[in-house]
Amino acid sequence: GAVVSQHPSRVICKSGTSVKIECRSLDFQATTMFWYRQFPKQSLMLMATSNEGSKATYEQGVEKDKFLINHASLTLSTLTVTSAHPEDSSFYICSASDSSTDTQYFGPGTRLTVL
Amino acid sequence: AQSVTQLDSQVPVFEEAPVELRCNYSSSVSVYLFWYVQYPNQGLQLLLKYLSGSTLVKGINGFEAEFNKSQTSFHLRKPSVHISDTAEYFCAVSDRRTGGFKTIFGAGTRLFVKA
Repeated sequence: GAVVSQHPSRVICKSGTSVKIECRSLDFQATTMFWYRQFPKQSLMLMATSNEGSKATYEQGVEKDKFLINHASLTLSTLTVTSAHPEDSSFYICSASDSSTDTQYFGPGTRLTVL
Repeated sequence: AQSVTQLDSQVPVFEEAPVELRCNYSSSVSVYLFWYVQYPNQGLQLLLKYLSGSTLVKGINGFEAEFNKSQTSFHLRKPSVHISDTAEYFCAVSDRRTGGFKTIFGAGTRLFVKA
């Protein structure tokens, strides 16, 4: 079946640094991808919709200058957490939609820890 | 806008007993409905989905759910649970009008199966 990968699976960084997370659809093209954040023991909160070739659409309360999203190709979206702080520590999950099968696939997630 | 309410934050149940995890949603438009399972420190796995057609949907691992439009519910059921079913379960809705499955998640229900 279709697979969505994320890289890295786990990252630890110092406060003030930037971290890039990649989301790839491995065997289908995705014009739309989504980024979610999940705090411990909480649900997934939609952060933004990533559209190939255009600007991302951010949910209310999500700082677009802090969470930079780039969707440069039909198989890759990246989320960059800029100037990360400990409160940005979370589990970040992406998803990609395969329009040919009308199905959404989730990546395995990236655990970000900011020290 | 859509919203999802999972009525139980935790459901303890004995092994081989039946279980129902409740989910209600609100939306002014037609939606797709999903149940996902998340095991500790892992990503999401799709259990089942309702897009259209029969209101009784069968999924993986012996789970099923019934879409009830009049009650705006999509409760998840399993006739006999196993220890391995212990996990977090998320109900989710997606706006059928939008391409790409922009998905809103409920708060989650922790299913704890006891021996």
